[in-house]
Amino acid sequence: KNEVEQSPQNLTAQEGEFITINCSYSVGISALHWLQQHPGGGIVSLFMLSSGKKKHGRLIATINIQEKHSSLHITASHPRDSAVYICAVLRSSNYGQNFVFGPGTRLSVLP
Amino acid sequence: GAVVSQHPSRVICKSGTSVKIECRSLDFQATTMFWYRQFPKQSLMLMATSNEGSKATYEQGVEKDKFLINHASLTLSTLTVTSAHPEDSSFYICSAVIRFQYNEQFFGPGTRLTVL
Repeated sequence: KNEVEQSPQNLTAQEGEFITINCSYSVGISALHWLQQHPGGGIVSLFMLSSGKKKHGRLIATINIQEKHSSLHITASHPRDSAVYICAVLRSSNYGQNFVFGPGTRLSVLP
Repeated sequence: GAVVSQHPSRVICKSGTSVKIECRSLDFQATTMFWYRQFPKQSLMLMATSNEGSKATYEQGVEKDKFLINHASLTLSTLTVTSAHPEDSSFYICSAVIRFQYNEQFFGPGTRLTVL
């Protein structure tokens, strides 16, 4: 079993729809990140969460530490939101801390 | 936000050659840089952690003699894929951390390596 799971794996939505992507993890973490990877490959960090909820524009991220679960919501989705969304958890290692990445959710928003 | 660059962005080489990929932090000093590999339709996998001035630490299953990492300064880390083979074709991404603030990693744009 992977340490970080995401669902769904693929998601197609119509423009304007409300979208939810889920992440669950099985290891102890110090923080969780939601990343966005565009088709060209570049990665942008959307949120860093250690508790509660954060909002940035049309994006909302929540985390429940007890349940080891996080969600990323996109309101009023737009074709430019089409990308791969990756959940990454920060955990301690012998050498400091490093990310463990989920498999990603490929989102396509159709006009 | 902090900017990390990678060079080259894309490289095609023949099997058996060595390829060097540079990762630079442009406007900050990176105490730590991470190297990741991403195969098509798969997620990122950590290859190694590189702390400035010390030897890189490699993840299990990553050959340190094949993937040479040098982090000689606080703004530059290099990954050299030695004697590249087609199975090394992948997307290589680095990230950089300011002053051991692992919570905040800044990703480079990635380098797509194709080995013929």
